[in-house]
Amino acid sequence: NAGVMQNPRHLVRRRGQEARLRCSPMKGHSHVYWYRQLPEEGLKFMVYLQKENIIDESGMPKERFSAEFPKEGPSILRIQQVVRGDSAAYFCASSPQAMNTEAFFGQGTRLTVV
Amino acid sequence: DQQVKQNSPSLSVQEGRISILNCDYTNSMFDYFLWYKKYPAEGPTFLISISSIKDKNEDGRFTVFLNKSAKHLSLHIVPSQPGDSAVYFCAASPIIQGAQKLVFGQGTRLTINP
Repeated sequence: NAGVMQNPRHLVRRRGQEARLRCSPMKGHSHVYWYRQLPEEGLKFMVYLQKENIIDESGMPKERFSAEFPKEGPSILRIQQVVRGDSAAYFCASSPQAMNTEAFFGQGTRLTVV
Repeated sequence: DQQVKQNSPSLSVQEGRISILNCDYTNSMFDYFLWYKKYPAEGPTFLISISSIKDKNEDGRFTVFLNKSAKHLSLHIVPSQPGDSAVYFCAASPIIQGAQKLVFGQGTRLTINP
């Protein structure tokens, strides 16, 4: 049973480009969460999605960031017009049900904006 | 506003001795607390949790203690092993609302010396 798969593991983008981060949850998991870890900080919640629905996006920056979890395929975190401050590790987690705090994390995507 | 604080960025312990990692929180609405372990280039892995109705939870070499009046929790690892070297994150959640409500501390880097 494969774990949470994130790709790419490393992503380099120039300022102004778009970044797309993908997350395939564990088999049987329909709840996906995205977290961001800035250097020397803990993980901060960004968004919580179920299939085709955004449940909680209270941690998402108001502009340039969007997330989706389509009926088929992985969840996508999209960052438009990236800036240097977007450089961070982005982690995806999944759980089988909403009331399960012990979500399983992927290995993360390290985004570097140059 | 750092609601969950791990004031020690790093800790070094001799193999076989006890490792004690500390965590303080400010939000009295937090009711469920977790510890995650993170190796470099990997995602966080759930280690152990405790709800506010308990003051201690033990799982093998790992024990978590909760002092609600002091808003403090700690993770004890005994005996410490070289494979325990990792970054440990404390996380908190109001009741058991799902991973989207997890608030993480900044992490403590534990190094176990042979």
